Amino acid sequence: EPEVTQTPSHQVTQMGQEVILRCVPISNHLYFYWYRQILGQKVEFLVSFYNNEISEKSEIFDDQFSVERPDGSNFTLKIRSTKLEDSAMYFCASSVSSGGAETQYFGPGTRLLVL
Amino acid sequence: AQKITQTQPGMFVQEKEAVTLDCTYDTSDQSYGLFWYKQPSSGEMIFLIYQGSYDEQNATEGRYSLNFQKARKSANLVISASQLGDSAMYFCAMREWQLTFGSGTQLTVLP
Repeated sequence: EPEVTQTPSHQVTQMGQEVILRCVPISNHLYFYWYRQILGQKVEFLVSFYNNEISEKSEIFDDQFSVERPDGSNFTLKIRSTKLEDSAMYFCASSVSSGGAETQYFGPGTRLLVL
Repeated sequence: AQKITQTQPGMFVQEKEAVTLDCTYDTSDQSYGLFWYKQPSSGEMIFLIYQGSYDEQNATEGRYSLNFQKARKSANLVISASQLGDSAMYFCAMREWQLTFGSGTQLTVLP
């Protein structure tokens, strides 16, 4: 069964460094998402991406963050100048289409720790 | 205002018994989707079941069923015949555009 994959599974970085989190969505999916989950808290929406453009973003997704689809398979989240509070689990998700009826399938997550 | 409310931070159930995890939601949209995800201690998010706002019948997927009461804006997850492997965090989520998650319920299945 096709699945969303994410690399790395864990990332440790120093405060102020840049990190890139990678995701490979399910191949026939057209909509891509990033979510984050700070330890012990709920999952929060960051950004959605379609047709090589951001379609929606939350207030969390400020200028520190950027997303890119550098090729036909990868979808990346870049966090510039990381802060301690960026430590969280970051989930990538994908869906065939948008709208309330469409299931988003999540990757296994990347656990980011900023020291 | 909270869009998704899960009022049970923790629940315990005996193995082989059924358990209901509560979820209420708030939306003014007519078209939306309700989802339940399972998050085991390993951290991944596993899709369990989906209910569309226009679906007249409650969704079922194996041992999972969704008790959808639209007028009350509730979408409770029922797990029948609980297994030890069901111990995990369970999140209710609503999709109008992006997914909005509740705070989760930690379910522990006791042997």
